[in-house]
Amino acid sequence: EAQVTQNPRYLITVTGKKLTVTCSQNMNHEYMSWYRQDPGLGLRQIYYSMNVEVTDKGDVPEGYKVSRKEKRNFPLILESPSPNQTSLYFCASSTTGSVAFFGQGTRLTVV
Amino acid sequence: AQKVTQAQTEISVVEKEDVTLDCVYETRDTTYYLFWYKQPPSGELVFLIRRNSFDEQNEISGRYSWNFQKSTSSFNFTITASQVVDSAVYFCALTLPNNAGGTSYGKLTFGQGTILTVHP
Repeated sequence: EAQVTQNPRYLITVTGKKLTVTCSQNMNHEYMSWYRQDPGLGLRQIYYSMNVEVTDKGDVPEGYKVSRKEKRNFPLILESPSPNQTSLYFCASSTTGSVAFFGQGTRLTVV
Repeated sequence: AQKVTQAQTEISVVEKEDVTLDCVYETRDTTYYLFWYKQPPSGELVFLIRRNSFDEQNEISGRYSWNFQKSTSSFNFTITASQVVDSAVYFCALTLPNNAGGTSYGKLTFGQGTILTVHP
């Protein structure tokens, strides 16, 4: 079954404590992306990757890091989380113009 | 840069009413793809439809229909005879093909979303 798997689904953490949200896809898609969803703002792209070792900033990259060492995995790293990073996060994978497959979402709360 | 606007923040209807969700987009590119996604209360994003810019035919899928009009840069979504299970947040989105280059590749630009509540 084609899918994008994110973990964890829910996370509560404290300010400054480094965390990683994992994302894995089994469709051999070259393009992967992270979005955050906030009320009234829709989904905004944080970072994207066009292939292994190729990543670049999206619209709201501040405070985030990513890596793409394998085609299937695209983790999102928050080195020093702050309360304004409390949000719902989605990982997505696709090929150009194709339907983006989204993970189930990670609801992050930073206190 | 691309932009998608969903001017309706929230819509409330009674079951069996028809409802239309508006989507207006902006892009300078002639080739693009438009999408609608549904986000039910459980939170996941469910793909509903993709339309490319060269196909202006309207589409119907059961109670769902989509009206794509390039002249007004709109891609509206109508639910006929709404049901309580249609209650969700609906997102309209746009993406460019890979030959658009740069940061546009594969990026979905989303509207702000419309919260639809269908009351029994």
